[in-house]
Amino acid sequence: DIQMTQSPSTLSASVGDRVTITCRASQSISTYLAWYQQKPGKGPKVLIYRASSLESGVPSRFSGSGSGTEFTLTISSLQPDDFATYYCQQYSGYSLTFGGGTKVEIK
Amino acid sequence: EVQLVESGGGLVQPGGSLRLSCVGSGFTFSDHYMDWVRQAPGKGLEWVGRIRKKLNSYTTEYAASVKGRFIVSRDDSKNSLYLEMNSLKSEDTAVYYCVRADSGSFPHFDCWGQGTLVTVSS
Repeated sequence: DIQMTQSPSTLSASVGDRVTITCRASQSISTYLAWYQQKPGKGPKVLIYRASSLESGVPSRFSGSGSGTEFTLTISSLQPDDFATYYCQQYSGYSLTFGGGTKVEIK
Repeated sequence: EVQLVESGGGLVQPGGSLRLSCVGSGFTFSDHYMDWVRQAPGKGLEWVGRIRKKLNSYTTEYAASVKGRFIVSRDDSKNSLYLEMNSLKSEDTAVYYCVRADSGSFPHFDCWGQGTLVTVSS
C-alpha cells in the first residue's frame, strides 16, 4: 500500500497567518491527491482534488500544489473558521490511504 | 441537496456481526462509486472499502485490515449502501462514514455522511 506522511501533526497559528501543510507519498501518485478539512463531530469536507483543483464553494484562500510524491496545502490568510484538522488522501490505486492529519490550532 | 445518512451503529461483542446502512439522496446514486471510511476515537481517517457502479460490474475493494471480514454491497433501487461487518474486533471500534466518490475515472471523495458509531466491547 502507498503510505502518506503528513507534516506537521500540529500547527499553532494566528488569524491572518499563511499556513502550509505538507504531504509525502511513499511512491509516485501523479496528481491523485485530495485535501480534506474536518471539524469536531463532523464528517470531512473536500477542499482540493487532483492536487490543485479547488472544490466548488471552497474559499480561494485554500490552494494545493505538487505532483509525484510531494504535495502542499496552503491557506493564504488563516480565518477563524479554518481552525480544524486537515487530511491528505491518495487515490491513485485500488487501495486508498490518508495522511495522519494536521491539527491547526489557535496560537 | 446531496445527502448521505448512515444508520445501524451500536454496541456489539467481539466476534459478533453488524450491518450498517447508508441512504443517499439529492443525486443519482447509481452513477457513483461508494465507499466506507472509518475513524477510531481520537484517531485519523482509514479507508475501509469501495463498491463500484453497475458499469464496472459492482466490483469491490477492501483495506487489508478488514478483507475477508467485511462486505460492501449496494442496492441502487433503494439508493442504499451497506457494510456487513463480521468477526468484529475491538480495533474495529470507530465512527463509520458513508462516502460518495465523484463521477470521474479516478474519483476523490466529494460528499460524506455524518457517521455512525460502532463500539466493539464485551
